[in-house]
Amino acid sequence: RKEVEQDPGPFNVPEGATVAFNCTYSNSASQSFFWYRQDCRKEPKLLMSVYSSGNEDGRFTAQLNRASQYISLLIRDSKLSDSATYLCVVLDRGSTLGRLYFGRGTQLTVWP
Amino acid sequence: ETGVTQTPRHLVMGMTNKKSLKCEQHLGHNAMYWYKQSAKKPLELMFVYNFKEQTENNSVPSRFSPECPNSSHLFLHLHTLQPEDSALYLCASSQAYTGTGDTEAFFGQGTRLTVV
Repeated sequence: RKEVEQDPGPFNVPEGATVAFNCTYSNSASQSFFWYRQDCRKEPKLLMSVYSSGNEDGRFTAQLNRASQYISLLIRDSKLSDSATYLCVVLDRGSTLGRLYFGRGTQLTVWP
Repeated sequence: ETGVTQTPRHLVMGMTNKKSLKCEQHLGHNAMYWYKQSAKKPLELMFVYNFKEQTENNSVPSRFSPECPNSSHLFLHLHTLQPEDSALYLCASSQAYTGTGDTEAFFGQGTRLTVV
């Protein structure tokens, strides 16, 4: 079983739509959680960290459910510029040193 | 502007060539990573260095040889590559756990490698 699994997509939504991505992780001891965004032929960039209490940044809301080992990202009022691949990332800490696990990514296309 | 710089941005090499990719981070991080991303495929972790020591080699062929002379620099030495090694090679750094928690990873812009 993969460490991090995401909805494969692709998601194609009109401007202004609300879209949600889901992600599950296998290690219940995972420490930290992030959503990254990757544009075509570019490097991944941090979109937001995910906290247990849930957190919001403008149109983006991230949720973490430790009991279900589930992470979500909600994008409201989608813009054309939101078109990208969204990567779910989990940090596991072994003995003392962390290791990042990336999901395969979910592709989003927002159309006019 | 990224705190992680990779050079070169693009590289074309023959199968008998030897070349090196360079990564430098200016963020004071203690962990550095090499990832490979082939077309339309997810990121594949290749190597992890924590405090200059290699802590992970994800079954990478020996034609890829990493080097980490200090916590700010990371190299990937390439020799006798195959056409299927053509991909985007990404370097990343993070502040690994030091008792106060980990930070997210920051990526360089990548080296787009083509093996001919």
